Amino acid sequence: DAKTTQPPSMDCAEGRAANLPCNHSTISGNEYVYWYRQIHSQGPQYIIHGLKNNETNEMASLIITEDRKSSTLILPHATLRDTAVYYCIVRASLGAGSYQLTFGKGTKLSVIP
Amino acid sequence: DGGITQSPKYLFRKEGQNVTLSCEQNLNHDAMYWYRQDPGQGLRLIYYSQIVNDFQKGDIAEGYSVSREKKESFPLTVTSAQKNPTAFYLCASKPRWLGNQPQHFGDGTRLSIL
Repeated sequence: DAKTTQPPSMDCAEGRAANLPCNHSTISGNEYVYWYRQIHSQGPQYIIHGLKNNETNEMASLIITEDRKSSTLILPHATLRDTAVYYCIVRASLGAGSYQLTFGKGTKLSVIP
Repeated sequence: DGGITQSPKYLFRKEGQNVTLSCEQNLNHDAMYWYRQDPGQGLRLIYYSQIVNDFQKGDIAEGYSVSREKKESFPLTVTSAQKNPTAFYLCASKPRWLGNQPQHFGDGTRLSIL
């Protein structure tokens, strides 16, 4: 299963776009990339996922490179409430439509007033 | 609102005691999961269940037990055999057959030793 590499921390000014990178150079052709975030002492919150096309929802955009070896999560207008640890995950299949999520250490995003 | 409810939020265990963590979901999801998170660490899978009356061990099942008698409920028992139970426990669920759909998490139970 593919591993991911993320910077340990990033800062972003409030109101600006936050661009969080992730490398997953060993990803295989049918593996999805998932992004979650976790605010201290809460459960992880799902943000977005994708396979090879760029994706957008009400929370964020996900840009996946053409070779699928890296991706970027974009929060278009960061607010103080976006301060959290962000995890980029390539899942590990358990078979029959089920999988486990292997969270690394993620990127701690600090949104600064 | 649909979601996953974990209770209690905080739990204390005495030496030699078994404790049970509750996880209930009203999302009509077939698959449910229990993860453990230690400070500054990622998640590790304890048990998972893809359907009622069936469950499988994850990477760190020793010292834990589960049951899946109802679709909505997947309780986790931390037994006295688990020598280092202090951690943040997270329950998640997803539709079973939609393979790429995301898992959704509850808000966790923090377990400590007295």
